[in-house]
Amino acid sequence: SSELTQDPAVSVALGQTVRITCQGDTLRNYYASWYQQKPGQAPLLILYGKTNRPSGIPDRFSGSSSGNTASLTITGAQAEDEADYYCNSRDSSGNHLVFGGGTKLTVL
Amino acid sequence: QVQLQQWGAGLLKPSETLSLTCTVYGGSFSGYYWTWIRQPPGKGLEWIGEINHGGSTTYSPSLKSRTSISVDTSKNQFSLRLTSVTAADTAVYSCARGVATVLRGVPDWYFDLWGRGTLVTVSS
Repeated sequence: SSELTQDPAVSVALGQTVRITCQGDTLRNYYASWYQQKPGQAPLLILYGKTNRPSGIPDRFSGSSSGNTASLTITGAQAEDEADYYCNSRDSSGNHLVFGGGTKLTVL
Repeated sequence: QVQLQQWGAGLLKPSETLSLTCTVYGGSFSGYYWTWIRQPPGKGLEWIGEINHGGSTTYSPSLKSRTSISVDTSKNQFSLRLTSVTAADTAVYSCARGVATVLRGVPDWYFDLWGRGTLVTVSS
C-alpha cells in the first residue's frame, strides 16, 4: 500500500465544489504535487508547492494543506474535470518519491 | 517547446529485459531529474526511479534490484532497463522531467513534463 492515501472515488455535481485529499505522514515535511489524468492521456501537472498552478491550469484548481493532509479543491467543477487525480510526494525515508493511489472524480 | 519522446520494445517474454529510451527535445538537460514512472492497466502510478544529468540515480526500493537508469548527455537521452520481467511488469511506462526546488523553505518535487507513454506487455 502507498504511503500516500487517497479516496478511490469522489463525485461532484456540475458547478459545485469538491475537495480531493491526500494523507500521509511525510506531508508534514514535504509538499504534495497533484496530477490530472484523463483516459488514454499522460498525467498533467496541475498543482505544486501546495498552491502553485502551472501556466494554463484554470484557477478553479487550488491547493492547501494541514498537518498530514494535502488537499486539491476544484471550485465550480466542470464536465472536463472528470478524471483521475493523483498526489505525489516523498516517502518516509525522504529519498524516494511515491504516488497516492489516485481518486476518480465523477462530475454529475 | 520542450518535448519528451520515448521508444522501446512493447512486447516482451517473461525473463527478458525491458529497455526504453527517452529523448529530450528543445530544452536544457541539466538541472532536472529525469524520471521513469509506470502504470499497470487500470491501476495507479508507480515511481520507478530517476537520474540527473550527472548520472546520479535513485530507484524505488521495490524495483531497485532489477532497475538501471542511465543517461547520455551528448544525445539528451536517458534510458530504463528492467531485468527479469514478469507479467506483473506489464504497464504503460512513461518518462518525465522532475523538478526539485524549495518553496517557502519547504522541499518540493514535481513532474512538469511527461512523455506519451509506452505500453509494455509481458506475455509468453
